[in-house]
Formats: sequence, structure tokens, C-alpha cells
Amino acid sequence: GAGVSQSPSNKVTEKGKDVELRCDPISGHTALYWYRQRLGQGLEFLIYFQGNSAPDKSGLPSDRFSAERTGESVSTLTIQRTQQEDSAVYLCASSLGGRGETQYFGPGTRLLVL
Amino acid sequence: AQTVTQSQPEMSVQEAETVTLSCTYDTSENNYYLFWYKQPPSRQMILVIRQEAYKQQNATENRFSVNFQKAAKSFSLKISDSQLGDTAMYFCAFISTGNQFYFGTGTSLTVIP
Repeated sequence: GAGVSQSPSNKVTEKGKDVELRCDPISGHTALYWYRQRLGQGLEFLIYFQGNSAPDKSGLPSDRFSAERTGESVSTLTIQRTQQEDSAVYLCASSLGGRGETQYFGPGTRLLVL
Repeated sequence: AQTVTQSQPEMSVQEAETVTLSCTYDTSENNYYLFWYKQPPSRQMILVIRQEAYKQQNATENRFSVNFQKAAKSFSLKISDSQLGDTAMYFCAFISTGNQFYFGTGTSLTVIP
């Protein structure tokens, strides 16, 4: 079946512009995660959605970052007024349910802020 | 605070040999899950193996096995009969009760033909 997909695969933007990243989880997966991976580093948790519960936004680095998810489908991560330090790969993952379930990752969106 | 430490930034192994990647973590929780993920140059993160902390038996998945030492908070990955396709970044990860994943900084493994 189809895996997690993300778009765009690459995005180049100018400092100060807003960007929107999209994630399509695996159908039926109630949980969805966003991570940031800076060059040569591990993954940094950003936000977690589980079903219709309030999202866990504790990992968002600033109020320029926000994410939405409609039900158990597509999610968008928005970065406003982008800064050069936002340059990274943004990874999305989904899982069947809660804690301990295997997360399936998308290919990521590589963001470069000039 | 939850932390995951991978002390080996880079490793290499001859094809068909065995290699062990180390991972230690810090937590005050008793029930949790540990994972090893692989990220090849294609960038797609793939689950390698998963361990439930309440299970004493070490998880195995074909050529991949773990040595889980709960008291020592150690979770190493052993790759047997290494293959060229095993070349990748390997990340150790811990999931908390809050459903947050904490990843180590990764170990870059190169399998030498």
C-alpha cells in the first residue's frame, strides 16, 4: 500500500517568506508526527497529532511554527517569516495508534532559506 | 529529562562481518519503547527493530538483534553478516509516556566491500 508522502520534496525560499509543507499519512493511521532534522543531526520532535485530541505542540521551536491536521488525514506544517536557521529536512511520520506503535516516515521536505 | 546518546558518530565494517552500534538513554520511566531506525542516503527513515522495555527477551529481526540492558539503560544494535545495503545512518530512539520520540544523533555506518 501507499506509504507516507510529503510535498514538496525540496523548497527554496527567501528569508522572511512563509512556507507550507504537506504530509499525507498512511490511510487509517490515527497518529501523525512532525520532526525537524538539521544537517548531520538527529531528529527533533516538533508536534504530534492523535485522532481528535488536542495536538501536542511542545516541540515547536517558536510561534512562527504551526501545524494543522484535518481529522485523520492530511497535515500541513507552516513556517511564517522564515529564517536561515529554519533550513533543515522536515520529516513527517504516522502510526496506527498510540505509544509504542511503529512510526512510518515520509521522505521528508528539504527546506533551504536563503 | 529524556536523552538518547550514541557515542559513535561513524563506524565501518567489512562485508559479511558483524558490527555493534551502541546507544544509551536516560529516563526515570519504567515502561517505554526503544527503536533503531535506519536512514539510507535516500533519506527515507525505516524501522529496523523495536524493543518493549517490559520484555526481558532481546528483540531480533533476521540479521539484526539488540542487547537491551534495562538497568544499565543500554540498547545496542548488532548487525550480523553485514551487507552493502546496510550502509546508512542509524538512529536510536526512545518514546516517552507523552508519545514523544527522542532520537540520538546517529551513527553513520559504512559497509566496505
